[in-house]
Amino acid sequence: QKEVEQNSGPLSVPEGAIASLNCTYSDRGSQSFFWYRQYSGKSPELIMFIYSNGDKEDGRFTAQLNKASQYVSLLIRDSQPSDSATYLCAVISNSGYALNFGKGTSLLVTP
Amino acid sequence: DAGITQSPRHKVTETGTPVTLRCHQTENHRYMYWYRQDPGHGLRLIHYSYGVKDTDKGEVSDGYSVSRSKTEDFLLTLESATSSQTSVYFCATRTRRDEQFFGPGTRLTVL
Repeated sequence: QKEVEQNSGPLSVPEGAIASLNCTYSDRGSQSFFWYRQYSGKSPELIMFIYSNGDKEDGRFTAQLNKASQYVSLLIRDSQPSDSATYLCAVISNSGYALNFGKGTSLLVTP
Repeated sequence: DAGITQSPRHKVTETGTPVTLRCHQTENHRYMYWYRQDPGHGLRLIHYSYGVKDTDKGEVSDGYSVSRSKTEDFLLTLESATSSQTSVYFCATRTRRDEQFFGPGTRLTVL
C-alpha cells in the first residue's frame, strides 16, 4: 500500500471557484504534513504545512488535517488560472528523516 | 528560496558513462536529499544526508552513490548510467521546522 495517496486528476474548476484537493496517508503516527505546488517543468514549491488537527489558513489556501481519518486536504479559494499546477501532498516518513510524497493531483482552473 | 543550486541543469550522456550531479546550498541546513521524479511514480527518495559524511539510502538507491564532504555540497553519482536512470533529479534541504525546499532540478537523459 502506497503510504501517501492522491487522486491524479485532472481536477477542473472554473475561475473563482473553490478547489478541493485531498490526500490520505497510511502511517497513523505521522505528525507533519505538507502541500507543494509544482508547475510543469519546475521544482516543487512549498505552499502549506500543518501539524495539528483542524484548519490552517494562509491567504487563499486552507489546509485541513484529520488524523483520526488519516487525511489531509488543501482548499484553494477564488481559484485563478495561475493556480493550474500539480499539487503534491507529503508526509514525514517513518524514519523522521525524509518526506513521502503522493504522486500529485493535477489542477486546471479554467477562465 | 533556500539558496539551492544544482549543476548541471541538463545533461545528455551515454549508457555506461559515470555521471555526477552537484547540489549546493547556502543556508547551512544539516539535512540534504536527492530525489528523482518520473511520470507515474512521483518523487522518490534516492539518498539523503544528515551531516557531513553521514548519508543513508532511500527508496531507490540502487545504482547511485552520494558524498557529502562539506555542509554546503551534496553530490550524487551514477557509477555507470543506464537508460532507466533517465529522469529529473531534484536536490532538497530541510529546515529545523521539517520544511523541505527544492533546487531547480537536473534533467538527465541517458542514451
